[in-house]
Amino acid sequence: SAVISQKPSRDICQRGTSLTIQCQVDSQVTMMFWYRQQPGQSLTLIATANQGSEATYESGFVIDKFPISRPNLTFSTLTVSNMSPEDSSIYLCSGHRSGSQNEQFFGPGTRLTVL
Amino acid sequence: GENVEQHPSTLSVQEGDSAVIKCTYSDSASNYFPWYKQELGKGSQLIIDIRSNVGEKKDQRIAVTLNKTAKHFSLHITETQPEDSAVYFCAASRDTGFQKLVFGTGTRLLVSP
Repeated sequence: SAVISQKPSRDICQRGTSLTIQCQVDSQVTMMFWYRQQPGQSLTLIATANQGSEATYESGFVIDKFPISRPNLTFSTLTVSNMSPEDSSIYLCSGHRSGSQNEQFFGPGTRLTVL
Repeated sequence: GENVEQHPSTLSVQEGDSAVIKCTYSDSASNYFPWYKQELGKGSQLIIDIRSNVGEKKDQRIAVTLNKTAKHFSLHITETQPEDSAVYFCAASRDTGFQKLVFGTGTRLLVSP
């Protein structure tokens, strides 16, 4: 499996501001994903980060709110825009490598609190 | 689409006891079932997975069983230790090419010394 790091590990932000979360994988992966885990809830897929093109968003998530970049095979960013307290969650990045069947490996997450 | 339910939401056991967490899924085409352990600050770690061509898989103190007919699968931890305390998530997907994982709601396991 690969090692995934995320920055920042946590942040406290003011309503109306934006935060960009970075995800770095130590080796090339075919696919990268961003998940949200709201307090006491399960992991919900936000989008698939596509290298060099627009991300593929799941129902209920839009690019204007969660713009995503993936300039290369090992790096991606997720921005949480115009934040409100409802955006307080853990945001997780994950990766999947072609040939490893369906295994995904996750980063440590970014704990976001919006005041 | 797939729906995964997980029970119990919390589980407290004494050190040395066994712990069992159960999940059910709705999509009969799902055939890949991983379990993740989530610890504070460490993210979610894959601890074991099972595919539909087997009914049971074991790795030391951890085992997973799968009943495709009933569409449920379970995680078994024997001889629990305090370091097993964490939140455990089950998930399901179709293992053709790459398919999205659908996660259960999680089980908080607390192992008391």
